[in-house]
Order: sequence, then C-alpha cells, then structure tokens
Amino acid sequence: DAGVIQSPRHEVTEMGQEVTLRCKPISGHNSLFWYRQTMMRGLELLIYFNNNVPIDDSGMPEDRFSAKMPNASFSTLKIQPSEPRDSAVYFCASSNSERPEAFFGQGTRLTVV
Amino acid sequence: AQSVTQPDIHITVSEGASLELRCNYSYGATPYLFWYVQSPGQGLQLLLKYFSGDTLVQGIKGFEAEFKRSQSSFNLRKPSVHWSDAAEYFCAVAPLSGSARQLTFGSGTQLTVLP
Repeated sequence: DAGVIQSPRHEVTEMGQEVTLRCKPISGHNSLFWYRQTMMRGLELLIYFNNNVPIDDSGMPEDRFSAKMPNASFSTLKIQPSEPRDSAVYFCASSNSERPEAFFGQGTRLTVV
Repeated sequence: AQSVTQPDIHITVSEGASLELRCNYSYGATPYLFWYVQSPGQGLQLLLKYFSGDTLVQGIKGFEAEFKRSQSSFNLRKPSVHWSDAAEYFCAVAPLSGSARQLTFGSGTQLTVLP
C-alpha cells in the first residue's frame, strides 16, 4: 500500500494567490482528515470527511479555506486568497471508520510570501 | 471536552539510556489511545495503540506504553534509546463511538538524543 499521498510536498506562493493542496487517501479508508501544523498552534484539525461528506469543518479558520472530496480517492484543500499567516505544514490523514487510528501523509509545506 | 496533556515539551537523553514520555488525558470514558512519532520533515507515524485488554502494549521500534486508568495516563517507554529515535512524539485519543473517528492530539514532546 502506498499510504496517504499528498502533493505537492512543498509550495511557495505569493500573498493573494490561490493554493490547492491535494490528497489521495489509503484505498478502502472512508474517513479523511486535513490538519495544519505550526510551531505556535501545534497540530490543528481543519476538517474531516466521512464517506466523502464533510462532517465537521469547525476547524477551518476562515472562508478563505475550503475543502472538497469529490470521490473516495481524492480530496483538495484550497486557500483563496492566501496570506503569509497561512504558512504551515498541512497534513492529510485517512482512516477506516471501523477502526480509529489514522494514517498520515508526508505533508505539504506551504510558504506564503 | 476531551483533552490530552504532554507535560514535557522537550526531553534530552543519552543514547542507550531509558526513556519515558508522559501523557495524561481527560475524557468521559476510556478512549482509544495512541502514540505517534514525527521525524523531521515527515508525517506522523503510528507507534502503538491501546483499545482494550492488556494495559501494556507493544509497538514498533522497541517502544511500549502502559495504560493506567486510575491515573488517566498512557506513558510511552523504551528501555534503550537509539540516536534515530530523536523526533517529536505525540500522544492522541479518539472516541469509542461514532461513525467517524476524530483524534485529539497532545502538544508533543521533542526528544533529543545525545551521543
């Protein structure tokens, strides 16, 4: 199994630009999570999906952030427009809702200049 | 609301020494318990988990953890630390019920290993 795959691994963009982060969960997993990790705030859950449906997006910081899961094998996290304070490492994780452990991707390091 | 506390922000040990990382949780009932490790530039990797049964659980890389219900603790241990164990360690809990699981993470403990 290839594990959770995220792309890109690194993204540098200018303030105001749109950024799209991508995630392919582990095949057969029906829960997907987007996290953000910063030195100041640690690991924060942004949103999670179950069976492609957003269940809890209370962690999404602002309307500039949106996430979609059009099918069981793909999800995106979009920031539009991006700001320097969005600079962080963004992780995607997936799990089988019959089992609670989550498996993480390698993360996308986003830098907004 | 559930919470996870890792009281040690940073721990330094010498290679070959024993290690214990502390984790305490606050929850309505005994949750699922996990330890994850994050090496620099990497994602979080599951070290071990506790669901029920034997309160001493074994994980990968020679780690073990002990669940103590009376203390609401799930401390991670390793008898002899290797330089490659230098990383950040996260304790996490998850609810027993619900159609989807949602992990609550502690703030992490950074481990430095001295040669």
